[in-house]
Amino acid sequence: DVKVTQSSRYLVKRTGEKVFLECVQDMDHENMFWYRQDPGLGLRLIYFSYDVKMKEKGDIPEGYSVSREKKERFSLILESASTNQTSMYLCASSSASLGTDTQYFGPGTRLTVL
Amino acid sequence: AQKITQTQPGMFVQEKEAVTLDCTYDTSDPSYGLFWYKQPSSGEMIFLIYQGSYDQQNATEGRYSLNFQKARKSANLVISASQLGDSAMYFCAFRSNDYKLSFGAGTTVTVRA
Repeated sequence: DVKVTQSSRYLVKRTGEKVFLECVQDMDHENMFWYRQDPGLGLRLIYFSYDVKMKEKGDIPEGYSVSREKKERFSLILESASTNQTSMYLCASSSASLGTDTQYFGPGTRLTVL
Repeated sequence: AQKITQTQPGMFVQEKEAVTLDCTYDTSDPSYGLFWYKQPSSGEMIFLIYQGSYDQQNATEGRYSLNFQKARKSANLVISASQLGDSAMYFCAFRSNDYKLSFGAGTTVTVRA
């Protein structure tokens, strides 16, 4: 059974803090993704990674960075959290084979920045 | 990002009836994939069904079927025999050749007993 886990379900941080969101998958997937979800806007891609140590910007990378040192782990970093980064953050992974590249999601982290 | 449109913000359906959720997309790519996900109030995104642009037949998975009309660029989800547990938000997503998904804004479905 596929499994993507995220380090926290709920997180409260203060403006200016450095925030780490961790995502781990156990499916040996090559691709990993970070999204944020806001009401009325659906899911928007922040960053993704095709392989270890590789990363590419998504649609809204400003204010975020990522790290992928191991195949199973993809971290999202907010260098200096701001209130407009209050959101639901979802991690996903998929295989690198088009046609079987369904993205499987973790349970999400609801981040509040005060 | 590709443009994905879900025009129905919310829908009500009676238990045991069928419901159709609309999704249209805009692309000039010949090869792409279309996905539907369900998001219950708990927040997890659950994969429901996939349709490839070259698939000859409409995809089906249990009570879910995808009405794929390539020329109209639409990929509507049909849920048959609705159950109370189907109450959730449903997202349509488009994938081109780069593995990235573009999501619609979602449709909230409420199933009434």
